[in-house]
Amino acid sequence: AQKVTQAQTEISVVEKEDVTLDCVYETRDTTYYLFWYKQPPSGELVFLIRRNSFDEQNEISGRYSWNFQKSTSSFNFTITASQVVDSAVYFCALSEPRGSQGNLIFGKGTKLSVKP
Amino acid sequence: ETGVTQTPRHLVMGMTNKKSLKCEQHLGHNAMYWYKQSAKKPLELMFVYNFKEQTENNSVPSRFSPECPNSSHLFLHLHTLQPEDSALYLCASSQEAAAGGGNQPQHFGDGTRLSIL
Repeated sequence: AQKVTQAQTEISVVEKEDVTLDCVYETRDTTYYLFWYKQPPSGELVFLIRRNSFDEQNEISGRYSWNFQKSTSSFNFTITASQVVDSAVYFCALSEPRGSQGNLIFGKGTKLSVKP
Repeated sequence: ETGVTQTPRHLVMGMTNKKSLKCEQHLGHNAMYWYKQSAKKPLELMFVYNFKEQTENNSVPSRFSPECPNSSHLFLHLHTLQPEDSALYLCASSQEAAAGGGNQPQHFGDGTRLSIL
């Protein structure tokens, strides 16, 4: 069965620190997709990144970077030089393969607090 | 401005009331979703509509009734809810291939915070 584990429930850092949010997933499918979403206090989930299972290249977007390791079934997210505006709950998600419409399996989320 | 709009933002209702949550997407997507987000639980997928047809019902109690009149609008009709139904209800949309999906990013609304008295 598919499962996403975000072991860190809450993380608190001081502004400008780097922080890594962990995500470990389980799936028997060879084709799958992984996502990260950000949920600020306003409630809306904001899409950050999608990765397919055949693309293990790490990705960097500004202060955000993602490390996809199939060997350890992990898809970790690092924020460099964190800012107060990064404070939010971050969700990692796994999608089931084609034919299962829109079934995103979400982790429980990691609440990140960045203090000035 | 979000491409997915949900109304109302907050709703308080008694267990015997009937109310509806509304979701509208302005992104031209063909799939829409309802999720429930309770405290300390992962987001739970409730319903999926693809091209206005319901393709998923995740064992949701019948006191929740979805309606999708067109690909831009999605409703969740509520009737005789229980206190444990208090949660944030999130609507999302995505552009999926007709043959199946699950790999497209979903765009979410701000949610409706529902409280059952």
